Amino acid sequence: GAVVSQHPSWVICKSGTSVKIECRSLDFQATTMFWYRQFPKQSLMLMATSNEGSKATYEQGVEKDKFLINHASLTLSTLTVTSAHPEDSSFYICSARDRGGGYTFGSGTRLTVV
Amino acid sequence: RKEVEQDPGPFNVPEGATVAFNCTYSNSASQSFFWYRQDCRKEPKLLMSVYSSGNEDGRFTAQLNRASQYISLLIRDSKLSDSATYLCVVNPYSSASKIIFGSGTRLSIRP
Repeated sequence: GAVVSQHPSWVICKSGTSVKIECRSLDFQATTMFWYRQFPKQSLMLMATSNEGSKATYEQGVEKDKFLINHASLTLSTLTVTSAHPEDSSFYICSARDRGGGYTFGSGTRLTVV
Repeated sequence: RKEVEQDPGPFNVPEGATVAFNCTYSNSASQSFFWYRQDCRKEPKLLMSVYSSGNEDGRFTAQLNRASQYISLLIRDSKLSDSATYLCVVNPYSSASKIIFGSGTRLSIRP
């Protein structure tokens, strides 16, 4: 089946630094990828839709200058959390629509900002 | 009103019981519906799509009621391994692939 590889699985960073999260579709091309954030005991909240070769579409309330998204190829999308703060600590997860029309998720990245 | 609403639970039922969850959606033009399962600290995984005529996959049955704008998931003969959070997912847009997640229903199966 379709596989989306997400790295890193977890990261701890100092406040004020930036963190890059990668998401790759391994056996299919993903023109669109989605980035979500999930706080403890809450559901996944869509942050942005990443479109290959064009600008990402951000959901209301999500700062595009803080959460930089790059989708330079059909198999790779990256999310960079810039100037991270403790309140950015969360579970970040990407997904892509696979050939069968379903949504395949990466394994997620647990970010802790100290 | 939230676009997708679920009872957060938790549902705590004995092994072997039958349990059902409902999920309501606000956009009557919604096109696609899914149930996902999410284990603690893991990514969501597709449990089943929900079709207009209803569909069954082993112990799991999904139903769609467009008139009342809800979908349901029925789990029969529940197993300990069914303990998880079940997410209702809706594609509310006809021309886009964006999906909306419900807040999830926590299910705990006890021996």
